[in-house]
Amino acid sequence: GAVVSQHPSWVICKSGTSVKIECRSLDFQATTMFWYRQFPKQSLMLMATSNEGSKATYEQGVEKDKFLINHASLTLSTLTVTSAHPEDSSFYICSAAGALNTGELFFGEGSRLTVL
Amino acid sequence: AQRVTQPEKLLSVFKGAPVELKCNYSYSGSPELFWYVQYSRQRLQLLLRHISRESIKGFTADLNKGETSFHLKKPFAQEEDSAMYYCALSKPGFNKFYFGSGTKLNVKP
Repeated sequence: GAVVSQHPSWVICKSGTSVKIECRSLDFQATTMFWYRQFPKQSLMLMATSNEGSKATYEQGVEKDKFLINHASLTLSTLTVTSAHPEDSSFYICSAAGALNTGELFFGEGSRLTVL
Repeated sequence: AQRVTQPEKLLSVFKGAPVELKCNYSYSGSPELFWYVQYSRQRLQLLLRHISRESIKGFTADLNKGETSFHLKKPFAQEEDSAMYYCALSKPGFNKFYFGSGTKLNVKP
């Protein structure tokens, strides 16, 4: 099946620094990628939808200047948490929809961000 | 606004017992509904989608538009069914997906 890889799996950073998380589709071209944030014991919250070559569409309440999303190719999307603060600590998960757009999402393994 | 509600955080049943994981949704249009599953130490993966009307691993789910529900059912639970289950809604065109808070299913021997 289709594989989506996220890197890093976990990262610890100091407050005020920026962190980049990569999401790659390894064996298929992902026309659309989705970024989710998951708080402990809570649901996956959709942050933004990114399409290759265009600006990401952010959900209401998500700061686009805080969470920079770039989808420069059909196999790579990146999420950069800028000037991170402890409240940004969370589990970030990316998912990708294949070119066939069957409605199935392929998920990365997630990235645990801890901001000190 | 769209919303997916899974009222049960945890559901424990004995092996061989029937199981039903509840999912209700609110959406003004005609949504596509899915169930995703996450087994221990694995990533989320698709279990089934309502448009396929399929049975996967003995699980079925029927979309009830009148009750705006998409409950997941299995007549005889197995221990390997223990996992986290998420109900998800997509707008037509699959350009956005929204997830419920998840239900942890624990099947006891």
